[in-house]
Formats: sequence, C-alpha cells, structure tokens
Amino acid sequence: NAGVTQTPKFQVLKTGQSMTLQCAQDMNHNSMYWYRQDPGMGLRLIYYSASEGTTDKGEVPNGYNVSRLNKREFSLRLESAAPSQTSVYFCASSGDILPANYGYTFGSGTRLTVV
Amino acid sequence: AQSVTQLGSHVSVSEGALVLLRCNYSSSVPPYLFWYVQYPNQGLQLLLKYTSAATLVKGINGFEAEFKKSETSFHLTKPSAHMSDAAEYFCAVSAYSSASKIIFGSGTRLSIRP
Repeated sequence: NAGVTQTPKFQVLKTGQSMTLQCAQDMNHNSMYWYRQDPGMGLRLIYYSASEGTTDKGEVPNGYNVSRLNKREFSLRLESAAPSQTSVYFCASSGDILPANYGYTFGSGTRLTVV
Repeated sequence: AQSVTQLGSHVSVSEGALVLLRCNYSSSVPPYLFWYVQYPNQGLQLLLKYTSAATLVKGINGFEAEFKKSETSFHLTKPSAHMSDAAEYFCAVSAYSSASKIIFGSGTRLSIRP
C-alpha cells in the first residue's frame, strides 16, 4: 500500500547509544516531518523538511539531527540517546506546498525506549 | 502563532450516546483546523478539516465539527457513539502558509461504555 513507512517499529537503546530512525514515502510528497508523541503532550514537532534539500528545526530539536536523503526519505538520528528521548516517533508527509490544505499522511510510528 | 487546547484528556460515553470532544484554538491569522484520530498502536488518520469554506464540516465515520469564530472553537461531535469509536482524538491548527506546520493539541482519549 502507498503511504509512509517507518523502520524499525520498536527499539530499545542503552543511554549513550546512537541510532537512526528511517522514514520513506512513495506518494511523491514534497514536505516531510518528524514528531514525537508523549502521554498528555500530544505530538510535538522535532524537525521538518519543506522540500528536498532543506531542513528546519521544530519545537523540540535538541538531541536530534535529520537528513533529507532524497525526495522519498527523511531520517532522524539520535547521536547519544537519553532516557528523556523515550517516546513514540512519527514521520509524516504532505503533498501540497500548503500543508493546511490536505493535512498530513502519517506513518505507523517507532516506539523507542532508552534505558 | 497558533495553538490549540483540548478540554478533557479523557471522555467516556455510553454506546449510542452523543460524543462531544472540545477544542479551542488560538491563531493570529485565519486558521485551518483539523481533527485526527489515532487507534491503538497506529499512526494518526485525518477525520476532517476546516479550510474556510462551510463552517460545519463533515468527516468520516459520522463525525462532524463546527467552526465558531466568535468562540474560537472547533468541537467534534457524533450523534451516536459506537464501540469502534474508542480511540484518541487530536485537534490541530495551521495557518495558510507554505511554511506553515500543523500544531497538535494534547489529545482526548474517548472510551465507549457498553
């Protein structure tokens, strides 16, 4: 099925380890986003890429880096994981240059636990 | 800047009863408003959106929402709850801008009692 694919679905890391969360979309969308979801806090934007070759910080970028590898792929990297980064991470994409018109298409999420 | 406030982190209704999930927004420009639904262990799915056309917006699964500028509200309703409606619901806001992002509320978990 067409959509947004995230890998892995689950991950456990030790404090200080690094890892990259992968996201790919096959809808030819221009804009891609990374959110984290924590209980009682909704979704908070980490980083986004309005178009291929550009990335910008969101609300909570500290401790993360991103790469817009090509139009399809947008990865999120944790260089030195901390317990505060335990969360569910969602990737989303939008096909319109005005995201408000159509909303986002979300992946199914990556559940990350840092111990 | 835009923000949304969802009133009530948890709402419980009986099957067949009215569902009302409350959302108030703040926006310095005319807003675009959304409701998303998240079923357990899944991503978010768009329920409906308001983009300055009709103030009463109909979405999927029998849900609808009414944009009330005077009250800065965008409450979600469904006349008769079904067990399958149990999920978490997020209200979200954005501005009409190519650089705009969608800002999400903290979510309301809807439980349905048999």
